[in-house]
Amino acid sequence: GQQVMQIPQYQHVQEGEDFTTYCNSSTTLSNIQWYKQRPGGHPVFLIQLVKSGEVKKQKRLTFQFGEAKKNSSLHITATQTTDVGTYFCAGPLGGYQKVTFGTGTKLQVIP
Amino acid sequence: DGGITQSPKYLFRKEGQNVTLSCEQNLNHDAMYWYRQDPGQGLRLIYYSQIVNDFQKGDIAEGYSVSREKKESFPLTVTSAQKNPTAFYLCASSSSPNTEAFFGQGTRLTVV
Repeated sequence: GQQVMQIPQYQHVQEGEDFTTYCNSSTTLSNIQWYKQRPGGHPVFLIQLVKSGEVKKQKRLTFQFGEAKKNSSLHITATQTTDVGTYFCAGPLGGYQKVTFGTGTKLQVIP
Repeated sequence: DGGITQSPKYLFRKEGQNVTLSCEQNLNHDAMYWYRQDPGQGLRLIYYSQIVNDFQKGDIAEGYSVSREKKESFPLTVTSAQKNPTAFYLCASSSSPNTEAFFGQGTRLTVV
């Protein structure tokens, strides 16, 4: 069936190292969203990408939407302990109104 | 304060009992969603609604039911037909499909 996969599932980095998570959809997406969930918390919206090849930056975070609109990435430069959490991508899969979340990448930052 | 409220935060129920989770939003959002999250897992869509008195099944609707009688409310009932109901349930809303979703604090349901 249609799904959104993320890799890696887990990532441990030393504080100051960079981190990247990749999101891959089985079908073309009209847009993609990224969320962050802190341990014990709820997902919080980070950004939405709409255009093919789009790149957006938020401070140390860089988001990219693939040319074919089937994949996306989130890159964090010089990670900090505040970056700890699980990062999810989400997109309309199986219908415009049906927002499906990816499997998530759990980031652990070692001080 | 505007936001989305889920209650209760923790819920314990005996096996075989139906239980209803509350979700209320005062953001005037049309779209509302219910997701289930299991430990170390992603979010799986249970039901979603784009307008009052209308809702659609998500990927794992079996054993669940919802209603959308008011714009601000989207309660989820976990029925006895749900084989493994213990999980973290998250409700979300957005102004329109595929825009920023706001999540509630979640309800952690434990069935014993």
